[in-house]
Amino acid sequence: GDSVTQMEGPVTLSEEAFLTINCTYTATGYPSLFWYVQYPGEGLQLLLKATKADDKGSNKGFEATYRKETTSFHLEKGSVQVSDSAVYFCALRIQGAQKLVFGQGTRLTINP
Amino acid sequence: GAGVSQSPSNKVTEKGKDVELRCDPISGHTALYWYRQSLGQGLEFLIYFQGNSAPDKSGLPSDRFSAERTGGSVSTLTIQRTQQEDSAVYLCASSLALTGSGNTIYFGEGSWLTVV
Repeated sequence: GDSVTQMEGPVTLSEEAFLTINCTYTATGYPSLFWYVQYPGEGLQLLLKATKADDKGSNKGFEATYRKETTSFHLEKGSVQVSDSAVYFCALRIQGAQKLVFGQGTRLTINP
Repeated sequence: GAGVSQSPSNKVTEKGKDVELRCDPISGHTALYWYRQSLGQGLEFLIYFQGNSAPDKSGLPSDRFSAERTGGSVSTLTIQRTQQEDSAVYLCASSLALTGSGNTIYFGEGSWLTVV
């Protein structure tokens, strides 16, 4: 079946550090890939997405590249801020299917 | 409003009682989803609506769970005879009619359910 595996958390970094959160997927079809973020006390928000191989999604300094050959969609940011502290979810959606399939989430804490 | 609206935002109920959770999707969104987020767990798909029909109910955990949608808009998730393991955040989401897997799904802030 379709599944998403994320880097285990929690992850704690200092401000201005480089961030990578790994995400790999298994898909029966051709997926679109997403990163959602959940800030403390708030709902899930779409952070970025990519709909085909080699596409790069980007938003708020975060980037992720759709790598079909490695079935990965790793999230990166060059210099994190305290305000980036949140839970990050990687997700996929198969062409022709309706639901998002989520990874287990990675809690990120940035210390000043 | 502009986003997906859910009510109540918090609900504490006694074991064995029934609860109803309401979702108002973004205007014009024909697809509506319910997910569950339990403590320490990921996001679990429950049910999906396209208009008023539910082509995929595969995630409903038991026959105590049901959902309906009326007028192609508001949806209600009902949990009968609640159990402590039902305690979770119930998330509703909506999106435009599906023409491709890249359509963005927008989430509400969730209804926090605690069964005591």
